[in-house]
Amino acid sequence: DIQMTQSPSSLSASVGDRVTFTCRASQTITNYLNWYQQKPGKAPELLIYAASTLQSGVPSRFSGSGSGTDFTLTISSLQPEDFATYYCQQSYSTPRTFGQGTKLEIK
Amino acid sequence: QVQLVESGGGVVQPGRSLRLSCTASGFTFSTYAIHWVRQAPGKGLEWVSLISYDGSDKHYADSVKGRFTISRDNSRNMLFLQMNSLRAEDTAMYYCARDRIPPSRLDYWGRGTLVTVSS
Repeated sequence: DIQMTQSPSSLSASVGDRVTFTCRASQTITNYLNWYQQKPGKAPELLIYAASTLQSGVPSRFSGSGSGTDFTLTISSLQPEDFATYYCQQSYSTPRTFGQGTKLEIK
Repeated sequence: QVQLVESGGGVVQPGRSLRLSCTASGFTFSTYAIHWVRQAPGKGLEWVSLISYDGSDKHYADSVKGRFTISRDNSRNMLFLQMNSLRAEDTAMYYCARDRIPPSRLDYWGRGTLVTVSS
C-alpha cells in the first residue's frame, strides 16, 4: 500500500500570509494526487486534482505542484475562510490512501 | 444539482451488522464509480471502499476486507455498504463520494451518516 505523509501536522498563520503544505508518497504516484479541504462538521471538498489542476470554483489563491513522490499545496494569501484541515490523497492505486491531514489555525 | 445523501447510520453493538445507503441525484449515477470514506471522531479521513460504475469491480481497505461489502443498484441510483462483524474501531462518520475521471478525484461528497459501535 502507498503511504501518504503530510507535514506539518498543524500550522498557525495569519490572514494575508502565504502558506505551504507538503505531502509525500511512499512510492511514485506520478501526478495522481488530490487535495481536499475540510471544515469542522462538514464533508471534505475537492480543491486540486492531478497535483496542480484547480477544481472549478476554487479561488486562484490555491495552487498545487509536484510529481513523483513530493507534492505541495500553497495558499498565496490566507483568507478567514481558509482556516480548515487539508488532506492529500493518492489516486494512483487502491487502497486510495489519504494523508493524516494538516490543520491550519489562526495565529 | 449533484447530491449524495447517506442514511442508515446509528448505534449498534459490537459484532452486529448495519447497512448504509447512499442515494444519488442530479447526475447519471450509472456512469460513475463511487467511494466510501470514513472519519473516526476527531481523526483524519480513511478510505474504505470503491465500486466501479457497473458494479463489476470492487476494492476495500484492509481494515474492512472480509467484513464490509459494497454494492450498487443503478436502477434506483443507490449505493450500499453492508457492514458485518462491527468493531468499536468502525465508529465513524461514513461519507459516500463520486469519483470523477479522468483522472480520478472525489468531486462531490455527501454529508455523511454516523455509525457508533458500542455495547
